[in-house]
Amino acid sequence: EPEVTQTPSHQVTQMGQEVILRCVPISNHLYFYWYRQILGQKVEFLVSFYNNEISEKSEIFDDQFSVERPDGSNFTLKIRSTKLEDSAMYFCASSEGVAGVETQYFGPGTRLLVL
Amino acid sequence: AQSVTQLDSQVPVFEEAPVELRCNYSSSVSVYLFWYVQYPNQGLQLLLKYLSGSTLVKGINGFEAEFNKSQTSFHLRKPSVHISDTAEYFCAVMSPGSWGKLQFGAGTQVVVTP
Repeated sequence: EPEVTQTPSHQVTQMGQEVILRCVPISNHLYFYWYRQILGQKVEFLVSFYNNEISEKSEIFDDQFSVERPDGSNFTLKIRSTKLEDSAMYFCASSEGVAGVETQYFGPGTRLLVL
Repeated sequence: AQSVTQLDSQVPVFEEAPVELRCNYSSSVSVYLFWYVQYPNQGLQLLLKYLSGSTLVKGINGFEAEFNKSQTSFHLRKPSVHISDTAEYFCAVMSPGSWGKLQFGAGTQVVVTP
C-alpha cells in the first residue's frame, strides 16, 4: 500500500541553524501538508500546498518557515533559523484531491530537537 | 473560530469490553469531522469521517462514530476492543473550503489490558 515517507526520523540541531525536513508524498497525490506536535500539545496545522503554491498557512508559519516541492517526488519544510520552541514532531501529509472529501495520509513524522 | 475538545486524556479498558471516546466541537459553520488513530512510532491513520448524510459513520477496525449536531459531538465507539487497539485517538474538524486544514483535539490515549 502506498505510504507517505519522511526523513530523517530524528534530527538534532543547534539553535539558529537551518533544518530541512523531507517528505515523499504518495505519488498521485496533488495536495501536501505539514503539521507539527510539540510534546504534550495538540497536533497543529502549519501549511497546505497545491500547484506549487501555498494554499493556506497558520499563524505559526511565519517567515522562518518555507515549503518547496523541488522535484516531482519530494516536499520539504525548511526552518531558516531554528528556535528552542521549534522542537516538535513534524508530520507531512498528502491527499489526492482537496482534503475533506479526500483523505489526508500522514507520514510517520520527524522528531526535531533544537538545543 | 473552531475548537475541538476531547474530554478524556486517557481511557483504560479491558480486552473485549466496549469503549467510547468523547469529542465535542464548536464552530459557527458546518464542518467535516474526523477520527484519526496513531499507533506507537507511526503516523496518523484515518479511522472514519463525517462529511454529510447519515449521522452514523462506520470506519475501519470495527469503529463507528455518531454525529450529533444539537450536542455538537462526534463520539467514537467500538463494541469490543482488542489489545491491538492500544493507541492514541485524535478527533479533528475541518471547514469545507479550508484547503485541508485539520484542527485536532488533544488526543485520548486508549490502553487495552487483558
